[in-house]
Amino acid sequence: NAGVTQTPKFQVLKTGQSMTLQCAQDMNHNSMYWYRQDPGMGLRLIYYSASEGTTDKGEVPNGYNVSRLNKREFSLRLESAAPSQTSVYFCASSPGTGESNTEAFFGQGTRLTVV
Amino acid sequence: GQQLNQSPQSMFIQEGEDVSMNCTSSSIFNTWLWYKQDPGEGPVLLIALYKAGELTSNGRLTAQFGITRKDSFLNISASIPSDVGIYFCAGQVFGTYKYIFGTGTRLKVLA
Repeated sequence: NAGVTQTPKFQVLKTGQSMTLQCAQDMNHNSMYWYRQDPGMGLRLIYYSASEGTTDKGEVPNGYNVSRLNKREFSLRLESAAPSQTSVYFCASSPGTGESNTEAFFGQGTRLTVV
Repeated sequence: GQQLNQSPQSMFIQEGEDVSMNCTSSSIFNTWLWYKQDPGEGPVLLIALYKAGELTSNGRLTAQFGITRKDSFLNISASIPSDVGIYFCAGQVFGTYKYIFGTGTRLKVLA
């Protein structure tokens, strides 16, 4: 049981390049999340999804797009990377939806540097 | 948007001492979660709280869900060197499946 798996673990991009961060969970969870973590700022929510085909904006969605391909996978795309998007990106999943009281479980993170 | 105020930002303590940290918000939360993050790793869940007033323990860790649903605290008793790391609180926003995180408490334990 791998839990939440993120790929790649490290990435360096040039300004203006595009890339997709992949996330997959094998826990049959309904909800999935993308966060970014910057020094001293904790984790900030980018986008989240309650089910396949549905997504919601979090606190910092600008510059990102997401796709909930199926129940297992939730990808994050940077269409035109900027240095301000240099960060550590975490994917998480949670069993519940709506008002269910459940926990969120995290992947190991993707360390992205935009130069 | 919702914000979680977590304090203290950092702590230096002696091995064997007890530690206390807390999170407060102006918003109401369904669930309070406490995580620990080691360098280069993702956050790992320590304790989950589901009801106002709930007090839950996990080994040397004890956490409480505030009566007003707007705050929570985490205590670590008899700290040991492996307690070093960053501790985050997170709240599930009332009526949603969204989780908001605090800015973290960085704990350093001096042997």
